Amino acid sequence: KAGVTQTPRYLIKTRGQQVTLSCSPISGHRSVSWYQQTPGQGLQFLFEYFSETQRNKGNFPGRFSGRQFSNSRSEMNVSTLELGDSALYLCASSFQTGVNTEAFFGQGTRLTVV
Amino acid sequence: GENVEQHPSTLSVQEGDSAVIKCTYSDSASNYFPWYKQELGKRPQLIIDIRSNVGEKKDQRIAVTLNKTAKHFSLHITETQPEDSAVYFCAASMGSGGYNKLIFGAGTRLAVHP
Repeated sequence: KAGVTQTPRYLIKTRGQQVTLSCSPISGHRSVSWYQQTPGQGLQFLFEYFSETQRNKGNFPGRFSGRQFSNSRSEMNVSTLELGDSALYLCASSFQTGVNTEAFFGQGTRLTVV
Repeated sequence: GENVEQHPSTLSVQEGDSAVIKCTYSDSASNYFPWYKQELGKRPQLIIDIRSNVGEKKDQRIAVTLNKTAKHFSLHITETQPEDSAVYFCAASMGSGGYNKLIFGAGTRLAVHP
């Protein structure tokens, strides 16, 4: 079974630009969560999507948004990029049964804002 | 608020010794507590998890204990090996109902010296 796939692996963007990151979950998984990982703040929850609906949201500004498609693939978008948005963005997929189950992480997209 | 505190931030042990990492969570509704291991440049990988209806769980050299009253949970690694060197993250689910919102601790960098 293929794992969680994130594309692209690396991105360099300029302040003020916008970026879209993609996550393909494990086949059969319907829940996709996104996390931001930085050396100073650790792993911080951005949002979770299930069946194309956002179910949870972390404490990030509205510049961070996401969506999920009918095939469970998810994208997150960051608009008006700031230097502080430089981070490793990880997505995790879970097979949702109504109780918490293991979250499998992708390799991440490393975003550098210059 | 939603918070998970993790201690220590760094831990250095000799091969064969035991290592213990402790976490405290804030949300009394949390019912799922996974531990992830992240090696340098790699994705976080689940090593063990525990649910709130269980006090202890063991998998070979790794064990996790949970004290719901005190809102503490701990990771115990026995007979440490150099390949155990990595950053370990604890996490707690926020709320119940199977929603995949995990709040992570800041991480513990474990170094096992031969």
